[in-house]
Amino acid sequence: DTEVTQTPKHLVMGMTNKKSLKCEQHMGHRAMYWYKQKAKKPPELMFVYSYEKLSINESVPSRFSPECPNSSLLNLHLHALQPEDSALYLCASSQDHQYSNQPQHFGDGTRLSIL
Amino acid sequence: QKEVEQNSGPLSVPEGAIASLNCTYSDRGSQSFFWYRQYSGKSPELIMFIYSNGDKEDGRFTAQLNKASQYVSLLIRDSQPSDSATYLCAVSGYSTLTFGKGTMLLVSP
Repeated sequence: DTEVTQTPKHLVMGMTNKKSLKCEQHMGHRAMYWYKQKAKKPPELMFVYSYEKLSINESVPSRFSPECPNSSLLNLHLHALQPEDSALYLCASSQDHQYSNQPQHFGDGTRLSIL
Repeated sequence: QKEVEQNSGPLSVPEGAIASLNCTYSDRGSQSFFWYRQYSGKSPELIMFIYSNGDKEDGRFTAQLNKASQYVSLLIRDSQPSDSATYLCAVSGYSTLTFGKGTMLLVSP
């Protein structure tokens, strides 16, 4: 079991649906991340939150909207997704984003399928 | 553009052998180096990290770093079939992680 919990584990949605992915960590980490991973590819960074503030947005389309309600929670709101958005969405956390030597710990991911 | 290169494999080794996984990186300013193991359909799991030149050992795993050659490797001793997975090398400079494409390791009984 990982210390970063993601829900749901699987999600199937239509292109007109609105859904949210949730991530929770109780390690006291102050940096949280969203990644997208396609099959046989490495994870691609989407967003970084540092001390509950959006620190990095890697030019992600606006149909993905992140939210960090508090230091333990991270959400990813989804709207009007495209079939090519089908992927494994990974949440990660680290102690502090400002220090590059802090390892990132990943949750189990949400497998998202867009019909 | 920061690049992290790994041989995609598969690297096939018999059970009990030493598996050697290699990674090179382009950014000389890189400071921290991580190895993640990812089973098919699962999320990446951190198995080793190294910051200084030399070797770092943890159980059956040894990470080796040579900053002058911009090279980092992972040795797995006494390889087991359960080690069969994709191993991702990740490099960090001042902010984000850059991942290599991963090397698939197959350990045959």
